[in-house]
Amino acid sequence: DIQMTQSPSSVSASVGDRVTITCRASQDLSTWLVWYQQKPGRAPKLLIYAASSLRSGVPSRFSGSGSGTNFTLTISSLQPEDFATYYCQQANNFPFTFGPGTKVDIK
Amino acid sequence: QITLKESGPTLVKPTQTLTLTCTFSGFSLSTTGVSVGWIRQSPGKALEWVALIYWDDDKRYRSSLKNRLTITKDTSKNQVVLTLTNMDPEDTATYYCAHTPSPGGPTENWGQGILVTVSS
Repeated sequence: DIQMTQSPSSVSASVGDRVTITCRASQDLSTWLVWYQQKPGRAPKLLIYAASSLRSGVPSRFSGSGSGTNFTLTISSLQPEDFATYYCQQANNFPFTFGPGTKVDIK
Repeated sequence: QITLKESGPTLVKPTQTLTLTCTFSGFSLSTTGVSVGWIRQSPGKALEWVALIYWDDDKRYRSSLKNRLTITKDTSKNQVVLTLTNMDPEDTATYYCAHTPSPGGPTENWGQGILVTVSS
């Protein structure tokens, strides 16, 4: 199975900050990488697919980049509604696997 | 509008079999490329991909659960059923069903989830 890691595991940030989350895969994913946002008690919400494609309706302050084994999710200017946990997921090989998550909380 | 909803028992005893049903609307599981899958999340833990079934009845399973899992579909009822045998307290989790409109594509639509507790 492909192993996914994320760093940092948590980050404390202020409104307006730029936040970058890294996701690494144990095998080449090409660009088969997805980012989700999850708030407590809620189902995950799709943000970015194919490593860098923004889902329709997702604010443009979210962006994704990378290919192969290294990927990044960036929030250019953190907003109050962005405090949540973010997960990467590989969709290159079955079984699909998720990263351990990165919690973004208020500084 | 696409919706999915999970149903089933919220409390099962160890060694019992869990059967969860995902009832969906707004798409058809007979449409080429479409899949419905299950993802679970133990309390306070990360998401775990569990299983997936495609429009053509191709099925995929989480490696560590493969011997205990079965996923089936009833296209006429717009339902997907997940069965997990020999339940253990470590299987306590919120189970989500989710819709992926194209192979390898992102999971775009999720159910609200159902918390299943395994306890005697």
